[in-house]
Amino acid sequence: GEDVEQSLFLSVREGDSSVINCTYTDSSSTYLYWYKQEPGAGLQLLTYIFSNMDMKQDQRLTVLLNKKDKHLSLRIADTQTGDSAIYFCAETGNQAGTALIFGKGTTLSVSS
Amino acid sequence: DSGVTQTPKHLITATGQRVTLRCSPRSGDLSVYWYQQSLDQGLQFLIQYYNGEERAKGNILERFSAQQFPDLHSELNLSSLELGDSALYFCASSAGTGDEQYFGPGTRLTVT
Repeated sequence: GEDVEQSLFLSVREGDSSVINCTYTDSSSTYLYWYKQEPGAGLQLLTYIFSNMDMKQDQRLTVLLNKKDKHLSLRIADTQTGDSAIYFCAETGNQAGTALIFGKGTTLSVSS
Repeated sequence: DSGVTQTPKHLITATGQRVTLRCSPRSGDLSVYWYQQSLDQGLQFLIQYYNGEERAKGNILERFSAQQFPDLHSELNLSSLELGDSALYFCASSAGTGDEQYFGPGTRLTVT
């Protein structure tokens, strides 16, 4: 079945780069997404990448997609304490229309 | 602010009761999705409506139902509530059926 896997925790120091990794199973996913959830808040769409792209850059965020290995990563440059949150990777599986299938989320902790 | 609104923000009710959660999509969006977020199951897709019609169903219990009204707002009805239904319920909207989804702030349901 469809599944999205992420590591659960990542701890970095302020100013360093953070890399959050994700693997997915549905090779037919057209788009892959990264969402951010701060404590007590909803999910904020950070960025997404079309499946025929290898890389997308958006300010401090860089998304890399390796379709062959079904591996997606999100790099945050110059990580700040305000980046501390849970980051979710999501794919559009084909089981139920265009519903998103989410990973369990990676908790990013940024220390000063 | 994503432009998606959900009410109420918090809801506390007893087992066996019925509640209605409301969602207003972003202006111009035709699709509404409902997701449940719980500690043990993570983020799970429940159901999608597109322009008033049910488009896709995910892991939605038979005790749960939803609808989308002509003004495109949606309601999620949860009945015969059980302790295990305590969760955050998110609504998301998108322009069409394959576009990026924007999430509301969620409704936190506590069943006692």
